[in-house]
Amino acid sequence: EAGVTQSPTHLIKTRGQQATLRCSPISGHTSVYWYQQALGLGLQFLLWYDEGEERNRGNFPPRFSGRQFPNYSSELNVNALELEDSALYLCASSFRTGYNEQFFGPGTRLTVL
Amino acid sequence: RKEVEQDPGPFNVPEGATVAFNCTYSNSASQSFFWYRQDCRKEPKLLMSVYSSGNEDGRFTAQLNRASQYISLLIRDSKLSDSATYLCVVNRGSGTYKYIFGTGTRLKVLA
Repeated sequence: EAGVTQSPTHLIKTRGQQATLRCSPISGHTSVYWYQQALGLGLQFLLWYDEGEERNRGNFPPRFSGRQFPNYSSELNVNALELEDSALYLCASSFRTGYNEQFFGPGTRLTVL
Repeated sequence: RKEVEQDPGPFNVPEGATVAFNCTYSNSASQSFFWYRQDCRKEPKLLMSVYSSGNEDGRFTAQLNRASQYISLLIRDSKLSDSATYLCVVNRGSGTYKYIFGTGTRLKVLA
């Protein structure tokens, strides 16, 4: 069974540009979560989508946004990129019931120059 | 105080040693608990769920102590390949976002 997939693997942008990251969950999972992990730091929760709706967001500015499509795949958009946005962006998926494990994709490494 | 706390380590242990990590949580309503393993610059991978009765998977044993609000992970007969960061995850079971990640405990197994 295919795991969570993310694209692209690496993304290099310059300050002020926009970045779009994509995630496809495990088949049957309806919840998608986005996390930011800066080098040497822990996971910071960004966004949670379920059934096409944003259920919660972490403590990030509005220039971090996203959406979930009818097939449960998801997109994370980061506008007006700043140098400190350079990080590994991880997507995870789970069943909706809320007590289940999350499974992570390999991540997108975003570098902002 | 953080909702989920772990000793960051690093724990440096010789091959073959037994090592244990604890993770404390502050929300007594927490419902489910997990250990993940994260290798350097890679995604976290689920190691095991932690059940009330405790559970074992090969060399790994996880325990839950609800009274004292901590979970533990015991690794027996450490291998070089066990070197990684171990993340504790607590599912609150209430509120709009449920999964709380610890910052991880770094383990280095030495030859």
